[in-house]
Amino acid sequence: GAVVSQHPSWVICKSGTSVKIECRSLDFQATTMFWYRQFPKQSLMLMATSNEGSKATYEQGVEKDKFLINHASLTLSTLTVTSAHPEDSSFYICSARAPGTSLYEQYFGPGTRLTVT
Amino acid sequence: AQTVTQSQPEMSVQEAETVTLSCTYDTSESNYYLFWYKQPPSRQMILVIRQEAYKQQNATENRFSVNFQKAAKSFSLKISDSQLGDTAMYFCAFMKFGNQFYFGTGTSLTVIP
Repeated sequence: GAVVSQHPSWVICKSGTSVKIECRSLDFQATTMFWYRQFPKQSLMLMATSNEGSKATYEQGVEKDKFLINHASLTLSTLTVTSAHPEDSSFYICSARAPGTSLYEQYFGPGTRLTVT
Repeated sequence: AQTVTQSQPEMSVQEAETVTLSCTYDTSESNYYLFWYKQPPSRQMILVIRQEAYKQQNATENRFSVNFQKAAKSFSLKISDSQLGDTAMYFCAFMKFGNQFYFGTGTSLTVIP
């Protein structure tokens, strides 16, 4: 089956630094990837949609200059949290959609826990 | 805009019993998909069951079944013969064709041995 990985699974960084999270589709090519954010005991909130080779589309209220998304290849999308602050501490989950599959077929990564100290 | 509401933040059920999780949604779309996802402590999102809005027949996957009431915009999940491994957070989700998920706030289910 389709597998999506995320790296790292857990990262701790100091306030003011930047951190990059990778989302990879391991056995399929993902034309579209989605990035979600989940606070403790809360739901997943869509942050942005990225299509390979084009700029990401951000949801209202998400700072595009703070959360940089790059989808440079059909198997890799990255989320960079710039100048991280403690309030950015959260669980970040990506999902990927493969071309040629049913439009509802999305595969979730295992998530990345970000802690900003 | 699409909204998904889960009115039961927490539920518990005895092992081997049946439990029903509620979900309502609001949309002006006529074609869409509805999902139930399970998120265990590992945080990995696991698809439990999916329903296409154009299908009148309720979806079933082994011990999991849904009661889809399109006119009422209701989509409940029934878990039969509950098992300890069913303990998790359950999210109801809505998707328009080709678009992103809209998730409910989740129901934390505990199966009691």
